[in-house]
Amino acid sequence: DIGMTQTPLSLSVTPGQPASISCKSSQSLLHGNRKTYLYWYLQKPGQSPQLLIHEVSSRFSGVPDRFSGSGSGTDFTLKISRVEAEDVGVYYCMQGRHLPYTFGQGTKLEIK
Amino acid sequence: QVQLVQSGAEVKKPGASVKVSCKASGYTFIDSDINWVRQAPGHGLEWMGWMNPNSGNTGYAQKFQGRVTMTGDTTLSTASMELSSLTSEDTAVYYCARGGGPMVNFAFDIWGQGTMVTVS
Repeated sequence: DIGMTQTPLSLSVTPGQPASISCKSSQSLLHGNRKTYLYWYLQKPGQSPQLLIHEVSSRFSGVPDRFSGSGSGTDFTLKISRVEAEDVGVYYCMQGRHLPYTFGQGTKLEIK
Repeated sequence: QVQLVQSGAEVKKPGASVKVSCKASGYTFIDSDINWVRQAPGHGLEWMGWMNPNSGNTGYAQKFQGRVTMTGDTTLSTASMELSSLTSEDTAVYYCARGGGPMVNFAFDIWGQGTMVTVS
């Protein structure tokens, strides 16, 4: 199975400050069709996960532009330019390139 | 609106089976895969498998092979996941999630509200 390693596992951020989460996969997520199957999800407290980012850097419908994704191959990053109170929760990266699909361990974002 | 609504919480004894349903609305059920993901208390997300409602084709994580069955009823726009030979390690919230198709790079774009399954 593809290992997905997120760092850090927890983050405490002052509102208005930036935040960054790293996700590294044990194998490349680039497909022969030149698409990279790396996604980011946010699970807010008591809720189901919700899609933030698909194909490394494409924001899903309705996701604020303070969220951005970058990376290639095996190294990926989710950045929040200015954290807001509503951003609290656990962030997961997920790979959809190799079966079985796998998630990172999750990064818990708290507000200072 | 597009949504997936799951069946209610279940309590099962070890060795029993559980079947969780996931009713789709707001889109054409046969156009998208349904995936199942579970989350044990205080833990992360674990993908279990997928089902294509149009063809009935399925793919399961090896961990669950032989113990899980994913099906779809196109007349009811409902997907189901049955897990057998339950142990306490299967205590978790089970989510269905739609595979969103090429426009979202096949990400899971719509999630059900989750179904708590307790094995005790």
